[in-house]
Amino acid sequence: EPEVTQTPSHQVTQMGQEVILRCVPISNHLYFYWYRQILGQKVEFLVSFYNNEISEKSEIFDDQFSVERPDGSNFTLKIRSTKLEDSAMYFCASAGGDYYEQYFGPGTRLTVT
Amino acid sequence: SQELEQSPQSLIVQEGKNLTINCTSSKTLYGLYWYKQKYGEGLIFLMMLQKGGEEKSHEKITAKLDEKKQQSSLHITASQPSHAGIYLCGADRNTGNQFYFGTGTSLTVIP
Repeated sequence: EPEVTQTPSHQVTQMGQEVILRCVPISNHLYFYWYRQILGQKVEFLVSFYNNEISEKSEIFDDQFSVERPDGSNFTLKIRSTKLEDSAMYFCASAGGDYYEQYFGPGTRLTVT
Repeated sequence: SQELEQSPQSLIVQEGKNLTINCTSSKTLYGLYWYKQKYGEGLIFLMMLQKGGEEKSHEKITAKLDEKKQQSSLHITASQPSHAGIYLCGADRNTGNQFYFGTGTSLTVIP
């Protein structure tokens, strides 16, 4: 069964460093998303991506964040200068024709020290 | 913004018991989605409700959206340890591009 994969599973970085979180969505999907979940809190929407551009982004997704789909298979989330409060689990998701039926990856745990 | 409140926050039930989880929205819902999250893992889509009064079932899990489309309930019949996890309701704006999730209900099923 096809699945969304994410790498790395855990990333530790120092404050101020750039990180790139990688996702490989399901191959024929059209909609792509990034979410984050701070420990003990709710899952928060960051950004949605469709037709090679950002569809919508939340107030969390400020200028420090960017997304790319560089080669038609990978979908990346970049944080330019990490802050302590960026520590969270980051989930990538993709969906086919039914945008609401999202398939989530296992997540990347980002720890900023 | 769309606010989704779930109740209860956590639930511990004996295997075989029935249970209900509620999700209440501060605004009329365009679509309401139920997901399950296993601890430390990604979310798994369960079902989507769109019409007022709609009810859907998947195995022993039934979800309903009330007529006014501001509340949904998820009912599990004869719970099993495999049902354990965090249940999240989600909603989107009419655009379908931005999703909100509820606060989550943590379910523990004791064998």
